[in-house]
Amino acid sequence: DIQMTQSPPSLSASLGETVSIECRASEDIYSNLAWYQQKSGKSPQLLIYYASSLQDGVPSRFSGSGSGTQYSLKISGMQPEDEGVYYCLQGSKYPYTFGAGTKLELK
Amino acid sequence: QIQLVQSGPELKKPGESVKISCKASGYTFTDYAMHWVKQAPGKGLKWMGWINTYTGKPTYADDFKGRFVFSLEASASTANLQISNLKNEDTATYFCARNQVNYDGTYYSYYFDYWGQGVMVTVSS
Repeated sequence: DIQMTQSPPSLSASLGETVSIECRASEDIYSNLAWYQQKSGKSPQLLIYYASSLQDGVPSRFSGSGSGTQYSLKISGMQPEDEGVYYCLQGSKYPYTFGAGTKLELK
Repeated sequence: QIQLVQSGPELKKPGESVKISCKASGYTFTDYAMHWVKQAPGKGLKWMGWINTYTGKPTYADDFKGRFVFSLEASASTANLQISNLKNEDTATYFCARNQVNYDGTYYSYYFDYWGQGVMVTVSS
C-alpha cells in the first residue's frame, strides 16, 4: 500500500498568515493527489485535484504543488473560515490512502 | 445541482446488521463510480472501496472484505453499504463520495469531487 505521510499534525496561524501543509508518498503517485478540508461535523470538501488544479468555487488563496512523492498545500492569507482539518488523498493505486490529517486553527 | 444525500443515523447492537444508503441527484448516476469512506470518532479518513455504478461490480479494500457489501439500486440512483455482524469498532461515520477523473493527455488522475453528508453508525450493547 502507498503510505501518505502528512505534516504537521497541527498548525496554528494568525489572520493573513501563509501556511503550508505537506504530504509525502511512499512511492511516485504521478500527481494523483487531492486535498480536502473538513470542518467539524461536516463532510470533506475538495480543494485541489491533480496536485495543483483548483476545484471550482474554491478561493484562489488555496494552491497546490508538487510531483513524484512530495506535495504541498499552501494557504496564502489565513482566514477564519479556513479552520478545519486538511487531508491529502492519493488516487494512484488501490487501496487509495489518505494522509493522517492536519488540524489548522486560527491563532 | 449535484447532491449525495445519505440516510439517517443508526444505533445497533453487536452482531446486528445495518444498511445505509446514498442517493445521488443532479447527474447521471451510472456515469460515475461511487466510493465509501469510514471515519471513526475523532480519527482520520479511511477508504473502504468503490462500486462501478454501471456494472455493479464492487471492489473492497482488504480491511473491508467479508462483512461489508456495496450494492446499487440504479433505477433509484442509490448506492448502498451493508455491514453485517456489527462490531464495536464499526462505530463510525460512513461517507459516500463520487469518483471523478482528470486526464492530462498522458495520465489519469482520480479523486472524489462530491461527498454525502455522512451517516453515523453507533454499535453498542
